[in-house]
Amino acid sequence: KQEVTQIPAALSVPEGENLVLNCSFTDSAIYNLQWFRQDPGKGLTSLLLIQSSQREQTSGRLNASLDKSSGRSTLYIAASQPGDSATYLCAVLGGSYIPTFGRGTSLIVHP
Amino acid sequence: NAGVMQNPRHLVRRRGQEARLRCSPMKGHSHVYWYRQLPEEGLKFMVYLQKENIIDESGMPKERFSAEFPKEGPSILRIQQVVRGDSAAYFCASSPNGLTANTGELFFGEGSRLTVL
Repeated sequence: KQEVTQIPAALSVPEGENLVLNCSFTDSAIYNLQWFRQDPGKGLTSLLLIQSSQREQTSGRLNASLDKSSGRSTLYIAASQPGDSATYLCAVLGGSYIPTFGRGTSLIVHP
Repeated sequence: NAGVMQNPRHLVRRRGQEARLRCSPMKGHSHVYWYRQLPEEGLKFMVYLQKENIIDESGMPKERFSAEFPKEGPSILRIQQVVRGDSAAYFCASSPNGLTANTGELFFGEGSRLTVL
């Protein structure tokens, strides 16, 4: 059974810092990995989708990398802003075709 | 192109009542997934449906919970005889052709927050 772990569970940083959020998974036989953002009381917004054949994806200040063999993905946020404050979730799609989610990293970026 | 639409956004029920949560997938999407989120916990898979078919319901409690996705209309998650432990946010997600090895982007609705008194 796939298990997804996100570290750290919470993070508080001053504005402008570069951040790394981690996602690890136990079964490396995955098809893709998707990063989401969730604001309080809201749904999930897709940030980046990395297929298993890819090593990384970039969108603006966000860069996600995938290392299947070690069961890890990182989400890099450059020059963080207060508007980046949210919970970041990763979801792994494996052979069951049902995405498995981590518990998320709660990020606060203070001015 | 509207996103995934869920209603109601908030629902309050007393113990023993029924709760019905609706989800209209994105236009052109025929696959729906339901997840439950409890405070301080991650998203837990409940059920995966295509039109008129339940593909995987391994995450759904055997009693009181049911789901459908009819040929016409939204997907419905139904909880009978609700208990306080059913209080949670229920999220629906859709994808165009199901999640495969070559595609797999999932789009979420804003969720329905159920409170059981």
